[in-house]
Amino acid sequence: GENVEQHPSTLSVQEGDSAVIKCTYSDSASNYFPWYKQELGKRPQLIIDIRSNVGEKKDQRIAVTLNKTAKHFSLHITETQPEDSAVYFCAASMYGGGSYIPTFGRGTSLIVHP
Amino acid sequence: DAGVIQSPRHEVTEMGQEVTLRCKPISGHDYLFWYRQTMMRGLELLIYFNNNVPIDDSGMPEDRFSAKMPNASFSTLKIQPSEPRDSAVYFCASSPPLGTGLFNEQFFGPGTRLTVL
Repeated sequence: GENVEQHPSTLSVQEGDSAVIKCTYSDSASNYFPWYKQELGKRPQLIIDIRSNVGEKKDQRIAVTLNKTAKHFSLHITETQPEDSAVYFCAASMYGGGSYIPTFGRGTSLIVHP
Repeated sequence: DAGVIQSPRHEVTEMGQEVTLRCKPISGHDYLFWYRQTMMRGLELLIYFNNNVPIDDSGMPEDRFSAKMPNASFSTLKIQPSEPRDSAVYFCASSPPLGTGLFNEQFFGPGTRLTVL
């Protein structure tokens, strides 16, 4: 099955700095890569995603990049703010059983210091 | 829509007791997923259903775990007997059919925090 590695497990930055979270996956059949944000005590929520036919996608201060050859993808947050503090999960999804089923990374706890 | 609904939000039980977690997916969503979240193992997929039918239960840790989806608006995850190592947050998530434009975004419920003493 698919295996997703996520690094770092904890990331501490100062407000205004950039933050980068990296993930690798093992199965080349994966072709959809969502990122979820989970605030303390809350449910995970989708913040951005990228499909395998795209190398980069941006949405305001967040961007994702994908390198299919190397099987890795990254989340970039610029101008971090305290409200960005949360756990971020990457996932690699492949089509199966009529849907895209995700395998999640272990999560990165991002702490933004004001 | 109220989103995915889970109950109870918190459950404290003693080892050996039966635990039943409940989930109501978003209306119109035909996929339902059960996840377990722990610090050690992160977010693990336990089982998922399509149109009320279990598709993949390979993530269910042991025979003590079972899940059902008797209809499109209700699912249960049962642990019998429960053990302290089952303590975790259990999330239910649902996703819409392919082709609705949301490309399988998973909508998570608020989770059930289970503590087995």
